Amino acid sequence: DTEVTQTPKHLVMGMTNKKSLKCEQHMGHRAMYWYKQKAKKPPELMFVYSYEKLSINESVPSRFSPECPNSSLLNLHLHALQPEDSALYLCASSQGGTSGGKTQYFGPGTRLLVL
Amino acid sequence: AQSVAQPEDQVNVAEGNPLTVKCTYSVSGNPYLFWYVQYPNRGLQFLLKYITGDNLVKGSYGFEAEFNKSQTSFHLKKPSALVSDSALYFCAVRDGDSGGYQKVTFGIGTKLQVIP
Repeated sequence: DTEVTQTPKHLVMGMTNKKSLKCEQHMGHRAMYWYKQKAKKPPELMFVYSYEKLSINESVPSRFSPECPNSSLLNLHLHALQPEDSALYLCASSQGGTSGGKTQYFGPGTRLLVL
Repeated sequence: AQSVAQPEDQVNVAEGNPLTVKCTYSVSGNPYLFWYVQYPNRGLQFLLKYITGDNLVKGSYGFEAEFNKSQTSFHLKKPSALVSDSALYFCAVRDGDSGGYQKVTFGIGTKLQVIP
């Protein structure tokens, strides 16, 4: 099973709202990722969690706040977003560790629209 | 530093014909190379990867890719294209000597259009 699930599939929020995106995997992976993808563009890495610790933050604005409550779950908390934050948010997971070329498995994404 | 280039924004091919989607890369150390496919409004699906060993890598849905170290290329191929192969294809690379966590760099993507 190589499934990564994400909820919700679609989200519309105002600039003053607080919302959360959720990601779950049951493959025993110990690395989890958040990406942002604009239309017809490649995914842009936002955060990497390795063994439930934040390992990479690609200088993402503080209005995006990641959380990894356990090895299977990854959340992205959203607050005071801007319209330009509208995008497809993708979660991925892979085996942990820094060596080798670990395959990242992606979820279907959450389509976010900020009004 | 690691980078990847996909020189074609779009590739058109007739159904039943062979297809090639091009990818070249640049790394300081040994490359780990990946191909992903993305259908509209969906996440990325893993197709295949090169880590080491045989230069011809076989993957899902009849796709294969050939690693060419001298040309720093990793082109995606399929002997006979299907209309259902029409999608956006991303090449990605990780520099094996970069240390750190599994950060990959994606190409800009190539839209494959298979014409019936």
